Amino acid sequence: DAMVIQNPRYQVTQFGKPVTLSCSQTLNHNVMYWYQQKSSQAPKLLFHYYDKDFNNEADTPDNFQSRRPNTSFCFLDIRSPGLGDAAMYLCATSISGGSSYNEQFFGPGTRLTVL
Amino acid sequence: AQKITQTQPGMFVQEKEAVTLDCTYDTSDQSYGLFWYKQPSSGEMIFLIYQGSYDEQNATEGRYSLNFQKARKSANLVISASQLGDSAMYFCAMREGRTRSWGKLQFGAGTQVVVTP
Repeated sequence: DAMVIQNPRYQVTQFGKPVTLSCSQTLNHNVMYWYQQKSSQAPKLLFHYYDKDFNNEADTPDNFQSRRPNTSFCFLDIRSPGLGDAAMYLCATSISGGSSYNEQFFGPGTRLTVL
Repeated sequence: AQKITQTQPGMFVQEKEAVTLDCTYDTSDQSYGLFWYKQPSSGEMIFLIYQGSYDEQNATEGRYSLNFQKARKSANLVISASQLGDSAMYFCAMREGRTRSWGKLQFGAGTQVVVTP
């Protein structure tokens, strides 16, 4: 089945220790998104890739970076995680098109704990 | 300003009953899309139903239907015949416009639904 895969599902890191979360997709979608979701809150978009074009949200901290080496893979790098970065990180994909309907397909998420 | 408002933080519903989850939105775009997602405790966001701003009919998908009232800017989700597996957080989301950044989804705060036997 075509899907969005996130690894690892659970990640524990230490305060200030860089961490990388990965997302891969078999849907061949050209748009990929990273969301941060803190406990009992709505997902918040960090950035997205439209093909190779990187689009950063204005309020995304510099501590968060992303790489998309090819269509299938996208990485979220947190350079110096703080306690406030503990959250669920959701990767999503969609296909661009002419209408406003193009659902986003979400991965299962990576739950990040910062000690 | 909040674009998507979900006023019900939590709801209890009995199995086999219907439940309506409220969602109001704010946009000045003529072209937009409204989505409902379900998020179980496992964390994955599951797409349920979509309503386009130009769609004249209310969307339906199995037990899910969307009560779309464009003039009131509301897009309420109705779940008929609730099942225990429907217990989850439900998010309403909107995508505006047709620009290249149109892919951005704006989410409401969510409604936690608990289905009881």
